[in-house]
Amino acid sequence: LAKTTQPISMDSYEGQEVNITCSHNNIATNDYITWYQQFPSQGPRFIIQGYKTKVTNEVASLFIPADRKSSTLSLPRVSLSDTAVYYCLVGSNNAGNMLTFGGGTRLMVKP
Amino acid sequence: GAVVSQHPSRVICKSGTSVKIECRSLDFQATTMFWYRQFPKKSLMLMATSNEGSKATYEQGVEKDKFLINHASLTLSTLTVTSAHPEDSSFYICSARVAGVRSGDTQYFGPGTRLTVL
Repeated sequence: LAKTTQPISMDSYEGQEVNITCSHNNIATNDYITWYQQFPSQGPRFIIQGYKTKVTNEVASLFIPADRKSSTLSLPRVSLSDTAVYYCLVGSNNAGNMLTFGGGTRLMVKP
Repeated sequence: GAVVSQHPSRVICKSGTSVKIECRSLDFQATTMFWYRQFPKKSLMLMATSNEGSKATYEQGVEKDKFLINHASLTLSTLTVTSAHPEDSSFYICSARVAGVRSGDTQYFGPGTRLTVL
């Protein structure tokens, strides 16, 4: 299982764009990159998933360079409600594959 | 996205009793579900992988006789904490895997169950 490394915490202000980078140097060919958001006392919520290049949905964008050894979650114009822990996970399509959670990044959005 | 529910959301029990937590996939079938435990301000720790119709696979250090897992149908997995003790107090979260056809597998998580053992 590919190990991931993220910054422990980040601070931002309302209206700013936030970029959280995750490194996964030993990512395997079949691995996808998935980001989750977790609020206190709630289960993680799926944000976005990608394999290479760029993926965008209504919530965020995910940038993955050609070597796939890192990825960046981009949150446009954050609000106070985006304060949460963000987890980057790497896993494959294989049946039974589980995701291993790293420490996550605690994002604090200030007014 | 897919919806996963858990019941109960919160439970308080006396030491020595057993507690059952249910995890349901509401709008899809899940051949594989996962159970996690999370302590305050810590990350999620995988406890076991629950496979429909077969025995669960436990992570190292997790006692299978204490944390009984049953995945009797494609939409339901249960975790029973037997003879609970105060150190079992934690936030228990389940997830269900949705196989991707043109994408990676995605896990959708339940809202979690807060267990407090007195």
